[in-house]
Order: sequence, then structure tokens, then C-alpha cells
Amino acid sequence: DARVTQTPRHKVTEMGQEVTMRCQPILGHNTVFWYRQTMMQGLELLAYFRNRAPLDDSGMPKDRFSAEMPDATLATLKIQPSEPRDSAVYFCASGFPGIGYTFGSGTRLTVV
Amino acid sequence: RKEVEQDPGPFNVPEGATVAFNCTYSNSASQSFFWYRQDCRKEPKLLMSVYSSGNEDGRFTAQLNRASQYISLLIRDSKLSDSATYLCVVNPEGAQKLVFGQGTRLTINP
Repeated sequence: DARVTQTPRHKVTEMGQEVTMRCQPILGHNTVFWYRQTMMQGLELLAYFRNRAPLDDSGMPKDRFSAEMPDATLATLKIQPSEPRDSAVYFCASGFPGIGYTFGSGTRLTVV
Repeated sequence: RKEVEQDPGPFNVPEGATVAFNCTYSNSASQSFFWYRQDCRKEPKLLMSVYSSGNEDGRFTAQLNRASQYISLLIRDSKLSDSATYLCVVNPEGAQKLVFGQGTRLTINP
């Protein structure tokens, strides 16, 4: 089965450090999402891309978060500087509108 | 009002029972609807899409009621392996994004 690959699986970092999370979407999928999941907030949409173009990043704190898709095989989410409240699981998902989306295994981020 | 609302549960039911979840959405022009399943410390996985005419996949049946703006998931003859959190997902009209409910936690007891 085709998979969405996320790296790293786990990341522990100190407050103030830069964090970069990577996602390799399933080849051919035209839509890529970044979600964040916490116990309190559930799944929150941070940003998404259609055909590599950013469509909506309104869910993302712009002062510290940035999302890019430099090519069709790579999406990145960066946090600089990181804060303890950023601790969460970050999921990437890819697919087609109306058809359904496949999630990666997530990056579990802990900021201390 | 949240865009997508679910009863968080938890639902605890005996093996073999039938269980049903409902989910309401606020945007009447929403286009696509899905149920996802998420196991503890795992990623959400697509369980089934929800079509206007209703659809069935084995023991699972999904229904859409546009007039009342809710979707439902029915699980018959529940198995221990059905224990998970079930997420209602809506694609709001014009937004082309997925909005997730908070999830309903289900535990099937032997």
C-alpha cells in the first residue's frame, strides 16, 4: 500500500529551537494537509496545498510557523522559535478532494 | 457553534452489540462527508465515505441527513477490534478542506 511518510517520528527539543518536520506525500496526490492534534483541541488544520500551491494557512501562527512544498515529493513544516505550547502530534495527509485522504504516522513533538 | 460536533462518549458496549454515533455539521452547503477511525497513538484512517443515498461496508453503515445536517455511523455485531475513536469529517462547501469533529471514543468489552 502507498504510504505518507513523515520524519522524524519523535522530536524532543528545547524551547526556542527551530523544528523542521517533513512529509513525503503519496505520489500523484494533489492535495497535502498539515494537522496538529492535542488532547484539548483535537485535530486542527494548520495549512494545506493544492498542486503545491498554498491554499489556506489561516490556522497557523504566522509569526513562528511556516509551511512549504518545495517539490511534489516533499512538504515541510517549520517552527521557529518553538514553545512548550507547540507540543503536539503533527500529521501530514495527502489525497484528492472528495475521495479521501491518507495520513502519515505523525511527528510527536515535545518542547521542553 | 462548532463546525462539526460529535458526542465524545465514551461508549462502552459489549461485544456483539450494535452501536450508533451521530455527528452534526453547521455548514448546510457541505459537500463531502467521511468517517475516520483512530487507534490510540496512531494516525486517523479512512473508514468510509458517506454518500447521500447511504452506504454500507460489511458491518458498517453510514447515513447522511442533509435536511437535519447530521451523519451517522452504525456498527453491527461489534468486535473487540472495533475499539477506537471515530472521527466525523466534513468538507465545507467552497473551503476544500477537512474539518474534524472531536471524535467519539468506543470501547467494546468482552
